[in-house]
Amino acid sequence: IAGITQAPTSQILAAGRRMTLRCTQDMRHNAMYWYRQDLGLGLRLIHYSNTAGTTGKGEVPDGYSVSRANTDDFPLTLASAVPSQTSVYFCASSEQGADTQYFGPGTRLTVL
Amino acid sequence: GESVGLHLPTLSVQEGDNSIINCAYSNSASDYFIWYKQESGKGPQFIIDIRSNMDKRQGQRVTVLLNKTVKHLSLQIAATQPGDSAVYFCAVAGHTGGFKTIFGAGTRLFVKA
Repeated sequence: IAGITQAPTSQILAAGRRMTLRCTQDMRHNAMYWYRQDLGLGLRLIHYSNTAGTTGKGEVPDGYSVSRANTDDFPLTLASAVPSQTSVYFCASSEQGADTQYFGPGTRLTVL
Repeated sequence: GESVGLHLPTLSVQEGDNSIINCAYSNSASDYFIWYKQESGKGPQFIIDIRSNMDKRQGQRVTVLLNKTVKHLSLQIAATQPGDSAVYFCAVAGHTGGFKTIFGAGTRLFVKA
C-alpha cells in the first residue's frame, strides 16, 4: 500500500451498535487525524494524534474514541452509534502537526 | 479561536477562463496556508501551500496569494478546465495552540464547457 487507506468504504449500521473505522498509513507520519464531513459544514476535526501513544480531542469528539498504539494505525470507534453520526469520515496524516495533511478515500457511514 | 471563511460557496466559470477562489482567516499568528481540492466521492487532495514569509507561490496553472495585512488568501487557477470542477478548501495552520489546522467550508467550482 502507498499512502493512507480506510476501511470499510461504506457501512450501514443500526443505532446502538458499536463500530470501528480503520485507518492505516505507510508514510511514517507522526500526526494523524479523523474528520467528519457533512453537507454545508465542511471538515470538522473529531480527534487527532500528534505522535504514537498520544491523542487529543478535536472540535466534535463526543461519541467517538481513538487509540494510537503505533505509528501506522489510528482507528476511530463509535461505542454506541446514533443517527446524527451519519456522515462521511476522513482519516488524514501529516509529518508533523500543522503540516500538509494527506487524506484517505473516506468511509461513508449511515446510522439508522 | 481561529476561524476560516470562504467568500463564495459556489463559483461558475467558463472553460478557459481564470478562476479565483478567496478565503479569509482570523488569526494573525497563522503561519501556514494550504489549498485542497476535493472531487466528488474522494478525499481532499493537496494542491499548493504557502508559508507566512511569502506572499505568492506558483504551481502548475495554480497560484496562491497571501495578504497578511488583511488576513486573506486566494487560489487562482489559470485556463480552467472541466477537470478542475471540484470543491476547494483553504486550510490555515499555526504553530501555536497545539499545531492546529482549521479548514474553511469550501467553494464548489463549476466549469462550463
